[in-house]
Amino acid sequence: GQNIDQPTEMTATEGAIVQINCTYQTSGFNGLFWYQQHAGEAPTFLSYNVLDGLEEKGRFSSFLSRSKGYSYLLLKELQMKDSASYLCAVSPDRGSTLGRLYFGRGTQLTVWP
Amino acid sequence: EPEVTQTPSHQVTQMGQEVILRCVPISNHLYFYWYRQILGQKVEFLVSFYNNEISEKSEIFDDQFSVERPDGSNFTLKIRSTKLEDSAMYFCASSPLGQNYGYTFGSGTRLTVV
Repeated sequence: GQNIDQPTEMTATEGAIVQINCTYQTSGFNGLFWYQQHAGEAPTFLSYNVLDGLEEKGRFSSFLSRSKGYSYLLLKELQMKDSASYLCAVSPDRGSTLGRLYFGRGTQLTVWP
Repeated sequence: EPEVTQTPSHQVTQMGQEVILRCVPISNHLYFYWYRQILGQKVEFLVSFYNNEISEKSEIFDDQFSVERPDGSNFTLKIRSTKLEDSAMYFCASSPLGQNYGYTFGSGTRLTVV
């Protein structure tokens, strides 16, 4: 089966930096996604990694190591509005089209003032 | 910014009844999906749809479920005979062609089966 693990909860203070880790074991690999989900809302796309290395997008960066089956999402200059669940998702399907995603259970991040 | 629209936002139905959840994907997207999230659990894939047919479905998507794109804009999920365990948030998503785009999810339909 497909296994995606991430911590259940994390806390941090406003202005700090937090790193949310994700490890995966899947039948194939066609990319890893990070989504943000506020309570009761839809997930929103944050980042996509398919090659090893760091992708930076403003305050958010995502890192991938395919050989280790590992990714992290780095959030800098934390704001209260960053309190949300962060979902790691893997596309195991090969080819040029986007197939199903397998999601982890999400990491609930609480940012304190 | 383009949105995926889902209706209704909440639906309460009696066990055994049929429900239809509706979605309007982003107009130039070609791939459509349904996912669900039982309260407190992970987001789970149900089905993907491309070129007017199902391209993949999960083990959850049994004979009680069906999808349709009845016209050029709507994408529907039908549950034929609802069970208590079908209670969940159902998300529609769409994606343009290409693997480096994340989905755009709709805001979801909260289905409660009583």
